[in-house]
Amino acid sequence: GQQLNQSPQSMFIQEGEDVSMNCTSSSIFNTWLWYKQEPGEGPVLLIALYKAGELTSNGRLTAQFGITRKDSFLNISASIPSDVGIYFCAGLRFGNEKLTFGTGTRLTIIP
Amino acid sequence: GAVVSQHPSRVICKSGTSVKIECRSLDFQATTMFWYRQFPKQSLMLMATSNEGSKATYEQGVEKDKFLINHASLTLSTLTVTSAHPEDSSFYICSYRDPLGAFFGQGTRLTVV
Repeated sequence: GQQLNQSPQSMFIQEGEDVSMNCTSSSIFNTWLWYKQEPGEGPVLLIALYKAGELTSNGRLTAQFGITRKDSFLNISASIPSDVGIYFCAGLRFGNEKLTFGTGTRLTIIP
Repeated sequence: GAVVSQHPSRVICKSGTSVKIECRSLDFQATTMFWYRQFPKQSLMLMATSNEGSKATYEQGVEKDKFLINHASLTLSTLTVTSAHPEDSSFYICSYRDPLGAFFGQGTRLTVV
């Protein structure tokens, strides 16, 4: 099935640095969701975006719903060791209950 | 958001046996449940959509006789991997939707030996 194009595929950063990742699609979505997954666990919802242009924060995390409805961005400020994991974006369209997932961004923090 | 409880978290079974995975919605009643499969270092792939009181809808390439889904109540859905083989070893995750988004169970690591 379709997957969203998520970049970068992986990131190696030092503690305290800011992180940016994005998700793009060739078609429009009505809802964008950002998840974090740790090894051996299911994805945990971080931020949900429901409106084009919306900017939403959750602690050190900020996500934006692109104006074109074809992209979304997630930023993490002042990274800490517990931010390590895989971050997935996911999109939803009206009338379709199925999620379309991004390919994931693996975040590693270098001590 | 919805709280989803999935059991077991890990299971090891012998080739040829069947394994049942349970997924419960603890604070939300849902008519629809989604079952995903995830291979190492890959994203989640939707296997099937289960609907309470009716037959599940399977994605292309997923064998319905191999992966039996039962959604007998609004709070419980089960996935049974029948006659498991080593290639069925994977991470299986259930998900409920509510108006705020999609919420996932803790996942089940299945290893078939």
